[in-house]
Parts: sequence; structure tokens; C-alpha cells
Amino acid sequence: GAGVSQSPRYKVAKRGQDVALRCDPISGHVSLFWYQQALGQGPEFLTYFQNEAQLDKSGLPSDRFFAERPEGSVSTLKIQRTQQEDSAVYLCASSLKRVETQYFGPGTRLLVL
Amino acid sequence: DQQVKQNSPSLSVQEGRISILNCDYTNSMFDYFLWYKKYPAEGPTFLISISSIKDKNEDGRFTVFLNKSAKHLSLHIVPSQPGDSAVYFCAAILSGGYQKVTFGTGTKLQVIP
Repeated sequence: GAGVSQSPRYKVAKRGQDVALRCDPISGHVSLFWYQQALGQGPEFLTYFQNEAQLDKSGLPSDRFFAERPEGSVSTLKIQRTQQEDSAVYLCASSLKRVETQYFGPGTRLLVL
Repeated sequence: DQQVKQNSPSLSVQEGRISILNCDYTNSMFDYFLWYKKYPAEGPTFLISISSIKDKNEDGRFTVFLNKSAKHLSLHIVPSQPGDSAVYFCAAILSGGYQKVTFGTGTKLQVIP
């Protein structure tokens, strides 16, 4: 597969449960981005990695959200103690270097009941 | 505070005619603008972009116009095709090398055969 992949594609969680969302970027892509897209809205920036370094996490909505990319490739977005307002599609994107040329994955749709 | 606005949630156009999608922004520090196209259950895909030093960029059937004084950009699709039916997002990047994209809320385009 040449594109960005995300897993799972769908996740149903009970309120208070922890979830982990995975992103496999395009091989060789240095930059990786996470976005949250609520229903009827555009994607909103969450965080940005350059290799394993998290250079911008200003969009993470609370300290319940945590992202990592320990080896500079696969990334995981973790949400602790999920709340109903966390229900959204979580999009991952990667680029060789700059955000202007980012490629998106299909997203993970999270529903918190 | 929505810095990138797409005031038309939806647009219907006859096949073969021109589609015009509009976008307004409020932050004069944006210096690069992009349009993305999104099909259901897929991530956004890059369509066309424009730097703030230009007022027009053309790629095949797609043309983006930028009016900096009005803080307005538009995407023209000529001629429109049924396969163009999708949600279109306008997006902007701040000057200074920030690796963060600010998206509008999207316009759903339906091209009627």
C-alpha cells in the first residue's frame, strides 16, 4: 500500500474508556499530522511531528489527548477517559517535509457512547 | 473563531456548467491557500493551491482566484463533471513556516448529470 493507512477504521467506546488510534504514514515521510473532524466541520489541527519529535501540540483539546511517534514512523493518538464530545473522525496525514504536500489517510471514526 | 469561512454549505450545478466555490478568511497573516476535495469515507485529497504573491493559479479544469484586499478566494471548475461531486474544503497556512493548516467548514458540491 502506497498511501497513509489508519486503524481501526471505526471504533465505538464507552464513556470513560481509553482508546488508541494508529497511523501508518507513507514510507519515508518525515512529517506527520493529526486532525480531528467533527460532524459538519472541517478538519482541525491537533498535533505535528517531524520524525519522532512532536514540534507542535497546540491543537490537542485537553490533557486526555496524547500522541507519540517513537521511531519516527508509525504514530499513535491516545485518548484517555473518552467523553461524548470526543466523537469525531480522526485524520492522519503525512508529507515528505512540508504540510503543503500532505497526504491524508481515510480516518478513524470514533463514537463515544 | 472561524478564521477560514465557507458560507455556502452546499451547491448544485448542472453537468458542463461552471461551479464556483467561495471562501473568505480573516487573518491577513495567511500566505498560502489550498483547496481539498473529499469523498465520503475517504480522507481529503489536495486539489490546487495558491501563494499570496499570486492572484490566479490554473490546473486543467480547476482555477483558484485570490483577492487579498477582500480576503477572498474562489475555486472555479469548468466544465463541471458528475465525478466532481464531493465536499470541497478551503484551507490556509500562516506565514513564517508554521506547519499548521486551518480548514473551512466545507461546501458540498453536487453536479447533476
